[in-house]
Amino acid sequence: KAGVTQTPRYLIKTRGQQVTLSCSPISGHRSVSWYQQTPGQGLQFLFEYFSETQRNKGNFPGRFSGRQFSNSRSEMNVSTLELGDSALYLCASSLGANQDGYTFGSGTRLTVV
Amino acid sequence: GENVEQHPSTLSVQEGDSAVIKCTYSDSASNYFPWYKQELGKRPQLIIDIRSNVGEKKDQRIAVTLNKTAKHFSLHITETQPEDSAVYFCAARYSSASKIIFGSGTRLSIRP
Repeated sequence: KAGVTQTPRYLIKTRGQQVTLSCSPISGHRSVSWYQQTPGQGLQFLFEYFSETQRNKGNFPGRFSGRQFSNSRSEMNVSTLELGDSALYLCASSLGANQDGYTFGSGTRLTVV
Repeated sequence: GENVEQHPSTLSVQEGDSAVIKCTYSDSASNYFPWYKQELGKRPQLIIDIRSNVGEKKDQRIAVTLNKTAKHFSLHITETQPEDSAVYFCAARYSSASKIIFGSGTRLSIRP
């Protein structure tokens, strides 16, 4: 079956702009989590969604938001982009909340110039 | 607070030798501890995991040990090979919430 699909793979944006990233989980998976990966900070938790509800949120400013649709696909949005938002954004899916075995997508590499 | 510390940040071992990566966690109620391997330019992939009711788990050359009392868990790779070169992340699931928190990663290099 298809894995976790993230689009787009690469993005270049200008400071002040906003961006929307998409994640389609493995078929049947209902939980989607988002992480920001940077060389110095590792994998930082952004948020987790299950059944269209945000279950957890990491320590990121309100410029970072997300949502999940009824088909379990998820989007995250970053408004008023800053240079420090340049990172690889990874989403991971699992069968359900508190289910083990995250499967990661290949990520979206965002560059803010 | 929720935290997973991982050491060392870089590790270089001779091919054929063993490698050990150690992690500590802060929430004693944590119940699930996965390890991920991320090769250059690729996605993190789950290589082994352990639950809090188990002290050790092995899968071929890879093993993970868990000491709940000390809140430590470790990854052991024996007979290392060039394809083991990657960044390894430990993680812990906090039972108070379902999110998984990752350590900062260990860059493992295998010297020929």
